[in-house]
Amino acid sequence: DGGITQSPKYLFRKEGQNVTLSCEQNLNHDAMYWYRQDPGQGLRLIYYSQIVNDFQKGDIAEGYSVSREKKESFPLTVTSAQKNPTAFYLCASRTDNSPLHFGNGTRLTVT
Amino acid sequence: SQQGEEDPQALSIQEGENATMNCSYKTSINNLQWYRQNSGRGLVHLILIRSNEREKHSGRLRVTLDTSKKSSSLLITASRAADTASYFCATEESGGYNKLIFGAGTRLAVHP
Repeated sequence: DGGITQSPKYLFRKEGQNVTLSCEQNLNHDAMYWYRQDPGQGLRLIYYSQIVNDFQKGDIAEGYSVSREKKESFPLTVTSAQKNPTAFYLCASRTDNSPLHFGNGTRLTVT
Repeated sequence: SQQGEEDPQALSIQEGENATMNCSYKTSINNLQWYRQNSGRGLVHLILIRSNEREKHSGRLRVTLDTSKKSSSLLITASRAADTASYFCATEESGGYNKLIFGAGTRLAVHP
């Protein structure tokens, strides 16, 4: 079955450490997205990529970095520069003008 | 910046009643999409309505779009306890290069 896999489901890190969240899709979608969700809040766009080797900043890109070396993969690195990294991170993908397909998210806790 | 803003923030109803959620946005859009999220999970797409459409149905769901008022509504008829979830609208701006922006969502609780 096609879908989006985010791993791990839960992630714990100490403050000051960089951490990379994995997102893999086998839907053959060109565009991929990373969103952040805080408790009781909506989704805020971090980065998105429309094609391999290209990506754009979303509304809250500071303290995050991404790469898109393969069509199937769009990893997100939460750097130590992100002031409040504890959140639920959602990855999604789509083709042109189609709905987003979401993974089940990674809950990151930084202490 | 948030493009879509849902109203109300929370809604509590009894099974069998209808639930209406509203979404307002600020710019010209290609389409507007509604999603559902169960607690702690990813979002699931419900309906996509294009800017040249005014109404769309899918099962017990009815979505309307008024581009002159920059607003949309999602109606869930004959609600069930299993409809309990958060509902979000997302907009794709015209010329927005595939960028989708979500609102803060409506938390719906359907009581048996």
